[in-house]
Amino acid sequence: EPEVTQTPSHQVTQMGQEVILRCVPISNHLYFYWYRQILGQKVEFLVSFYNNEISEKSEIFDDQFSVERPDGSNFTLKIRSTKLEDSAMYFCASTVQGGGYTFGSGTRLTVV
Amino acid sequence: AQRVTQPEKLLSVFKGAPVELKCNYSYSGSPELFWYVQYSRQRLQLLLRHISRESIKGFTADLNKGETSFHLKKPFAQEEDSAMYYCALSSSGNTGKLIFGQGTTLQVKP
Repeated sequence: EPEVTQTPSHQVTQMGQEVILRCVPISNHLYFYWYRQILGQKVEFLVSFYNNEISEKSEIFDDQFSVERPDGSNFTLKIRSTKLEDSAMYFCASTVQGGGYTFGSGTRLTVV
Repeated sequence: AQRVTQPEKLLSVFKGAPVELKCNYSYSGSPELFWYVQYSRQRLQLLLRHISRESIKGFTADLNKGETSFHLKKPFAQEEDSAMYYCALSSSGNTGKLIFGQGTTLQVKP
């Protein structure tokens, strides 16, 4: 069964540093998403991406965040200057019209 | 406002007992609802979609628009069902963002 692949599985970074989280969605999927889950809390929507542009973003997704699909296969989430409160599990997901959402296994980001 | 509520943080049952994980939603349009399962902090896996009306691993869920509920049920719980269960609502068919509930941890005791 096709999977959404996320790398790295765990990233530790210093506060103020930039991080890039990478995702390879399922190849025929057209809609891409990032979600995050702070430890002990629910899964929260960050951003959706379709046709090479952001289709929706949440209040969490401020100017420190950006997304890119640089080469037609990868889908990245960049956090420009990480804060302690950015520590969370970040999930990538993709879907196709009529299909269900498929999630990656997540990247655990720890900001110290 | 669009919202998904799972009132129970933890549900603990014995093996073989019936299980019902509650989910209520608030949505002004015609929702698309899902149940996702997460085993031991692994990836979120799709368990059920209300439009497919299928049964997966013995679980079923019926959309009740009058009560705005989408409860997950299984007649006989198994130990391997122990996991975190999330109810989610799609804001725009099946391509809009997912709005998740808080999640319910199901613990099935031997």
